[in-house]
Amino acid sequence: SQQGEEDPQALSIQEGENATMNCSYKTSINNLQWYRQNSGRGLVHLILIRSNEREKHSGRLRVTLDTSKKSSSLLITASRAADTASYFCATEMGGSEKLVFGKGTKLTVNP
Amino acid sequence: NAGVMQNPRHLVRRRGQEARLRCSPMKGHSHVYWYRQLPEEGLKFMVYLQKENIIDESGMPKERFSAEFPKEGPSILRIQQVVRGDSAAYFCASSERYERYFGPGTRLTVT
Repeated sequence: SQQGEEDPQALSIQEGENATMNCSYKTSINNLQWYRQNSGRGLVHLILIRSNEREKHSGRLRVTLDTSKKSSSLLITASRAADTASYFCATEMGGSEKLVFGKGTKLTVNP
Repeated sequence: NAGVMQNPRHLVRRRGQEARLRCSPMKGHSHVYWYRQLPEEGLKFMVYLQKENIIDESGMPKERFSAEFPKEGPSILRIQQVVRGDSAAYFCASSERYERYFGPGTRLTVT
């Protein structure tokens, strides 16, 4: 079964609004990463948050991590049409190099 | 510094043929990962390799699939006797530490 599960599966908002996506996972992790995938393209790394961190910012992105609830959220502020993409969380567990991906949230930002 | 290169970008094979997918990691990266993505799904880990070594192949199907990362040249994912269920996008990623850099993927269609 998937380690990471994103919620919601799909999200449609207007330009300028904020978008929040959530990710839950099952086991202890070393770090959690968020990726973006434009339709038919490869993945682009957005941000990595380590298990001992609670919040991280990068430009318009804000990621939080709650290890007690085994969940993370990705907030995109002041969204743009160019943010339209699928967003995936991926977890890396201790002793393993493999990233385990969720099924993703499909974000549509309407101009 | 060129990113991760994959070729071909699109590959069509008839059932029973062999598919060879190539991945050239970023310069200086010695870790390569292969992932498979079915439509509307997240990425599923297949195999993790370092130069001349398979480190973790826990996501590889037991039969027909093999991977290598020779001392010289690209990493190769080889699928023998392809079946329709092998149709998917195959992504490779390279890294030196935590962050994975993904290639654009190879879209395999089995007819």
